[in-house]
Amino acid sequence: DAGVIQSPRHEVTEMGQEVTLRCKPISGHDYLFWYRQTMMRGLELLIYFNNNVPIDDSGMPEDRFSAKMPNASFSTLKIQPSEPRDSAVYFCASSPGDQPQHFGDGTRLSIL
Amino acid sequence: GNSVTQMEGPVTLSEEAFLTINCTYTATGYPSLFWYVQYPGEGLQLLLKATKADDKGSNKGFEATYRKETTSFHLEKGSVQVSDSAVYFCARRGGSQGNLIFGKGTKLSVKP
Repeated sequence: DAGVIQSPRHEVTEMGQEVTLRCKPISGHDYLFWYRQTMMRGLELLIYFNNNVPIDDSGMPEDRFSAKMPNASFSTLKIQPSEPRDSAVYFCASSPGDQPQHFGDGTRLSIL
Repeated sequence: GNSVTQMEGPVTLSEEAFLTINCTYTATGYPSLFWYVQYPGEGLQLLLKATKADDKGSNKGFEATYRKETTSFHLEKGSVQVSDSAVYFCARRGGSQGNLIFGKGTKLSVKP
C-alpha cells in the first residue's frame, strides 16, 4: 500500500519566493498533520486537520505560512514570502482516528 | 512547553551493547505513549506503543514499559546493531484526538 506521499522531496529557492509543499495522505485516514523539523527546535507541529477541517493551527509560525486541505486526499503548505530561517525538513503525517500517525519522507527545503 | 522529555544525545554505543533511552512525560490522566524511529533521510516510523499503565510495547528487540508511578516510558534493547543507528522520538497522545506531542529526539550511533 502507498504511504503518505510528499512532494517535492527537495526544494531550493531564493528568499522572497513562494513555496508550496504537497501531501497526499493514506486513503481512509481522517487526520492530517504538518510538522517542521530543524536541528535547533526539533520536531514542531504546525497544523493539523480532521476531516479536511483545520483543528489546531497554533504552531504555524506566522502569517507567511498557510495550509489548506481542499479534499480528503490532498493538502498543501504554503510559505509566502519565504525566508532563510524557513529552511527545514517539512513532514506530513496522517492517521485514522486516534491510531498512530504515518509519516511521509519529508520535503527538505532550503531558502537561499 | 513540551511535556515529553528525553535524554539528550547523541548516544554512541558499540555493537551488542545494552541501550536505554530515558523518556518522561507530564500529563493529566494516562495518555497513550509511543516511540518513533527516524532513519537518515526518512520520515518517522512507529516503533512501539503502549496504551495504558503497565503495558509493555515491543518491536524489533526494543521494549518500553508504561510506568505511571514514575511517568516514564524508557526505551531499551538488550543488544544493539549498527542498523539501529537512528534518531528515536518519544511521544504521548495530546489533548485532542489524533494529536501527538513529541520529545526532541535522541540520536543513537552504533559502532561496529
